[in-house]
Amino acid sequence: ETGVTQSPTHLIKTRGQQVTLRCSSQSGHNTVSWYQQALGQGPQFIFQYYREEENGRGNFPPRFSGLQFPNYSSELNVNALELDDSALYLCASSSRGRETQYFGPGTRLLVL
Amino acid sequence: GQNIDQPTEMTATEGAIVQINCTYQTSGFNGLFWYQQHAGEAPTFLSYNVLDGLEEKGRFSSFLSRSKGYSYLLLKELQMKDSASYLCAVINDYKLSFGAGTTVTVRA
Repeated sequence: ETGVTQSPTHLIKTRGQQVTLRCSSQSGHNTVSWYQQALGQGPQFIFQYYREEENGRGNFPPRFSGLQFPNYSSELNVNALELDDSALYLCASSSRGRETQYFGPGTRLLVL
Repeated sequence: GQNIDQPTEMTATEGAIVQINCTYQTSGFNGLFWYQQHAGEAPTFLSYNVLDGLEEKGRFSSFLSRSKGYSYLLLKELQMKDSASYLCAVINDYKLSFGAGTTVTVRA
């Protein structure tokens, strides 16, 4: 157990809908990163949040957005869902200046 | 760009040793991680190499050669519970770039 929690665990949506995924970081960690993992692939970096601001973004369109709150928890929002957005969404928390990222259990999103 | 390569699958016998290789070509490098991921679960941290050489942690060891862009994860005394995907990841500016993972199957 890493102490990183995510909700919900599973979600089914239809194309065009919007979704919000939530992540609570491990105690003492102030940085949250989000990753998308398609079946049979490694996780792909979406973005990272530090001190409530986006700190780096991967190759994902603007309909992927996020927030970080004062307690360091975070949300990932995806608008106008597409079939290809079906994946496992992982969040990872870390402490600034320490490289190791610890992953939560993930949210499995299915878009129909 | 980021290019991280590792074999897709490996099979080994319980009690044996398996070595998973990872080669990388990345635009920056702050270190290399190995994570273990069981099916349907989150990746769990195994090792982190910043400097060249071998890091040993129990049954698992990880090696890094920065000049060659090469790392390996060595799993000794394989157990059935070691059947999982093993992910090689390079960190640069706090961002992890992952390979596609190597699925290791341990047979009795």
